[in-house]
Amino acid sequence: GENVEQHPSTLSVQEGDSAVIKCTYSDSASNYFPWYKQELGKGPQLIIDIRSNVGEKKDQRIAVTLNKTAKHFSLHITETQPEDSAVYFCAASIDSGYSTLTFGKGTMLLVSP
Amino acid sequence: DSGVTQTPKHLITATGQRVTLRCSPRSGDLSVYWYQQSLDQGLQFLIQYYNGEERAKGNILERFSAQQFPDLHSELNLSSLELGDSALYFCASSRAAGAYGYTFGSGTRLTVV
Repeated sequence: GENVEQHPSTLSVQEGDSAVIKCTYSDSASNYFPWYKQELGKGPQLIIDIRSNVGEKKDQRIAVTLNKTAKHFSLHITETQPEDSAVYFCAASIDSGYSTLTFGKGTMLLVSP
Repeated sequence: DSGVTQTPKHLITATGQRVTLRCSPRSGDLSVYWYQQSLDQGLQFLIQYYNGEERAKGNILERFSAQQFPDLHSELNLSSLELGDSALYFCASSRAAGAYGYTFGSGTRLTVV
């Protein structure tokens, strides 16, 4: 089955800096890659996703890049703010009617004012 | 509020006991997924139901079982509880059976003492 590795496990940045979280996946058939943000005491919330037919997707300060050849994808957050502090999870799946998401182990992002 | 309702929010029980966790999916969603989140294992997929039928099974122990009822709510039953079963249990729902568009509930924190 699919295996997703996520790095780093913790990331501390100063407000205004950029943050990058990287994930690798094992199943070359995977074609759907979402990112979730989990705030303290809440469930994970989808923040951005990308499919394998595109290499990059952007939404305001958040962007995701995908390299299918190398089987890795990354989350980029620019101009970080304290409210970006949370645990971020990457996931991978084959987007079919019979697949489920496999998650990485998460990255705790701490943004200091 | 994500629209996915999980009850109870917290549960404390003794080893050897049985508990039932409940999930009501977002209106219109037919798929329900159960995930276990522990500190060292991240989000582990347990089981998926789609429109009342079991669709996929992950690392779910034999002591655990689930079902989805005609009104689409789902219950996760955990029996012969062990200390190691202490974790956050999340339910997610989606419109279709595939991996796209998961919405998570806020979870049930289970503590086994």
